[in-house]
Amino acid sequence: IVMTQSPATLSLSPGERATLSCWASQDIKNYLAWYQQKPGQPPRLLIYDASNRAAGIPARFSGSGSGTDFTLTIDTLESEDFAVYYCVQRSDFITFGQGTRLEI
Amino acid sequence: QVQLQESGPGLVKPSQTLSLTCTVSGDSIVRAGYYWSWIRQPAGKGLEWIGRIFTAGNTNYTPSLRSRVTFSLDASKNQVSLRLTSVTAADTAVYFCARSNFYSFDYWGQGALVTVS
Repeated sequence: IVMTQSPATLSLSPGERATLSCWASQDIKNYLAWYQQKPGQPPRLLIYDASNRAAGIPARFSGSGSGTDFTLTIDTLESEDFAVYYCVQRSDFITFGQGTRLEI
Repeated sequence: QVQLQESGPGLVKPSQTLSLTCTVSGDSIVRAGYYWSWIRQPAGKGLEWIGRIFTAGNTNYTPSLRSRVTFSLDASKNQVSLRLTSVTAADTAVYFCARSNFYSFDYWGQGALVTVS
């Protein structure tokens, strides 16, 4: 299964809303997770099963979608949110998207 | 608190075998309900799932690496190991081990940089 993320780079300012998209090449139901990665760090789980926030993740992060189309929304961006975001499917083995870089 | 730590040679010659170990603390690698993955990331690029090993020892590998990769578990040392044979410069990356609860990767190591040169 191929995962495609868009856009490759998203330039926004603190306080704005970010909308990141992820498409699967075939139906993956809701078997999708979102991760955030900052330089020099491993990825951090944000959302699992498309819309469930992981423990300790702020409410400004939300996920939606099912089937082939998914969205990660970050309301009211804070400075620490600028990072790279990956979607990952677990419907058929594991596949990562290529990432979206969220930059200031 | 579950912690994962990758270790192994940071430099491997082309055509040789890359071997890494992930030492787990705070959890048993053979506890039911979890599996262990290796994921790699070339510098400045995205994440690539290499494969996974379940607590019973069965494995799945990504097709592009299947012929060269082997995972194993050592319950006595609480370690998960990766072997990748016939390496080339394209295998240069940071290698992460991660625990999965079947819904997500909930714990990650800090990663180990391996350079093939």
